[in-house]
Amino acid sequence: DVKVTQSSRYLVKRTGEKVFLECVQDMDHENMFWYRQDPGLGLRLIYFSYDVKMKEKGDIPEGYSVSREKKERFSLILESASTNQTSMYLCASGGGGNEKLFFGSGTQLSVL
Amino acid sequence: AQSVTQLDSQVPVFEEAPVELRCNYSSSVSVYLFWYVQYPNQGLQLLLKYLSGSTLVKGINGFEAEFNKSQTSFHLRKPSVHISDTAEYFCAVSDLNFNKFYFGSGTKLNVKP
Repeated sequence: DVKVTQSSRYLVKRTGEKVFLECVQDMDHENMFWYRQDPGLGLRLIYFSYDVKMKEKGDIPEGYSVSREKKERFSLILESASTNQTSMYLCASGGGGNEKLFFGSGTQLSVL
Repeated sequence: AQSVTQLDSQVPVFEEAPVELRCNYSSSVSVYLFWYVQYPNQGLQLLLKYLSGSTLVKGINGFEAEFNKSQTSFHLRKPSVHISDTAEYFCAVSDLNFNKFYFGSGTKLNVKP
């Protein structure tokens, strides 16, 4: 069974902390994505990666960075967490010829 | 640039009644269209997709959607809903290379007994 695994289901951090959200996929997909999900706003694309060490900004990249050192792993980094980054973060893989996106179960991040 | 509009944030409906969830999109280029479903505390799962061919597409769990190019719509329908269909539904579009996916704001379907 295909899998996209996000390292934490719930995370609580303090303002100013550096936060790492990890995502691993076991399907050998080229593309990986980070979305942010907020009530009434749906899913908004933060960053995506179409290959190892390659990345492209989505619609709301400010305050975030990403890292993709290996094909199966895509990390989202909050350099200095702020309260307005409290949200549900969803990782997905697929695309690039595979029309289906596979999603992880999400990380609910609270920044206090 | 593409955008997706889901006109209803919440849709309450009684069990065994029909339902339609509306989706409109705007794009300056050709796109593919999708509906995803998110059950509580889970990630999103693909419900159905329109890539080409017949404008009426059938998905899992008895759902279907119709692509209307002139109205730039892709409404989701089910003739008779079940309690288990209670979930949030997202309409999405992608470019023709499946590299960028844009999602609507979601519609929460609440099926009541």
